[in-house]
Amino acid sequence: AQKVTQAQTEISVVEKEDVTLDCVYETRDTTYYLFWYKQPPSGELVFLIRRNSFDEQNEISGRYSWNFQKSTSSFNFTITASQVVDSAVYFCALSEQSGGGADGLTFGKGTHLIIQP
Amino acid sequence: DAGVIQSPRHEVTEMGQEVTLRCKPISGHNSLFWYRQTMMRGLELLIYFNNNVPIDDSGMPEDRFSAKMPNASFSTLKIQPSEPRDSAVYFCASSFQGPTTGELFFGEGSRLTVL
Repeated sequence: AQKVTQAQTEISVVEKEDVTLDCVYETRDTTYYLFWYKQPPSGELVFLIRRNSFDEQNEISGRYSWNFQKSTSSFNFTITASQVVDSAVYFCALSEQSGGGADGLTFGKGTHLIIQP
Repeated sequence: DAGVIQSPRHEVTEMGQEVTLRCKPISGHNSLFWYRQTMMRGLELLIYFNNNVPIDDSGMPEDRFSAKMPNASFSTLKIQPSEPRDSAVYFCASSFQGPTTGELFFGEGSRLTVL
C-alpha cells in the first residue's frame, strides 16, 4: 500500500530564512507520481509541482526547489528566503499508476509552515 | 476558465438530516475525486470516477455515504443520515487522466458542520 509521511507537523521560521519540508513515501510500483500542494489559510489547495518516478532531476521555480531522491524515497521541498506569504500548510502526495490508469492521490498529513515577520 | 465549482460552501445541519454536496468539474477533465479533510485524519480520498464510472470507493466511510456522477459535468456526494463525526471539509477535484497522472485541480471545498 502507498503511504506518504511528513514528519514535521509544524515549522516556524523567521522571514528570509531558508526552510526545507520533508516528505518520505512508500510504494511498490515502479511508476508513480509525486506532488506538492499548498493550502493557505483561505483553505483552497494549490498545485505546486508534479514529478514522475523516472525523472530524478531537481526542480527549481523561483524561490521554490524540490529534491527527489529515489534511493531514500524522499521528495523534499525547500523555500529559499521565505516570506510571510509562504505561511500555509504544505502537503506532499503520491499517485500510483496501475492498470494503465491513474488512481487518486494519497496525501501526507501536511506540514504547517509559519513564517514570522 | 472556471475551476472546479463546489456547492454549498458552508452547510450546517442537524444530526439525522440528509446532506448533498455538489461538484462541477473542469470541462474536459475525465476524472473526478471526492476528498474529506479533518484535523485528525488529514486529507482522505473517499471515491473517484473515471469517465463518470466509479473506480474505487474503498475510502467511503460507510453506507451512509454515496456518490454519483450522472454526467461528465456533475457529481454529488450524499450523506444520509448525517452524524456529528461527518463534520469536515469536503473537497472535489478533477483532472485529465491519460497515460500519465495529471495534476488534480481542487474546488474551494464544502465545510460541513453536523450538530
